[in-house]
Amino acid sequence: NAGVMQNPRHLVRRRGQEARLRCSPMKGHSHVYWYRQLPEEGLKFMVYLQKENIIDESGMPKERFSAEFPKEGPSILRIQQVVRGDSAAYFCASSPPGTPEKLFFGSGTQLSVL
Amino acid sequence: RKEVEQDPGPFNVPEGATVAFNCTYSNSASQSFFWYRQDCRKEPKLLMSVYSSGNEDGRFTAQLNRASQYISLLIRDSKLSDSATYLCVVNEAGGGNKLTFGTGTQLKVEL
Repeated sequence: NAGVMQNPRHLVRRRGQEARLRCSPMKGHSHVYWYRQLPEEGLKFMVYLQKENIIDESGMPKERFSAEFPKEGPSILRIQQVVRGDSAAYFCASSPPGTPEKLFFGSGTQLSVL
Repeated sequence: RKEVEQDPGPFNVPEGATVAFNCTYSNSASQSFFWYRQDCRKEPKLLMSVYSSGNEDGRFTAQLNRASQYISLLIRDSKLSDSATYLCVVNEAGGGNKLTFGTGTQLKVEL
């Protein structure tokens, strides 16, 4: 049973470009979460999704950031017009039905904005 | 005040030592509590849940004090492989499935 799969592992973008981060949850998991970890800081919740639904996006910046979890395919975190402050590790996690608070994390995508 | 506060450390201890970490949380209505472990530049992994009655998993013991709003993690007989950052995590009341992470306490176990 493969774990949570994230790609790419590393993503380099220039200011103003778009970044797309992908996440496939563990088999059987229907809840997906995105967290961001800035250098020397803790993980910060961004968004919680189930298939085709955004359940909680209270941690998402109001502009430039969006997330989706389509019926088919991985969850996508999209950052438009990236700025240097977006440089961080972005972790995706999934949880099984019945124990939504027990998260299994992917290896993360390290986004570097030049 | 941070929602979840931890001493960042680092805690440098010799192999075989016993070490304890504390964590405080601000929301008295918080419902569930966890310790996660994060190795350098890697993803966090669930270490253990924390129950009101306290719970033990091998060399690790977790305790919760709701009155004082703190959580502790005790590691006995430290191993070199225990070196990592330990994250205190709280699922706040009304927060749905949103977990709040502390910034972590760094542990270094040395020969």
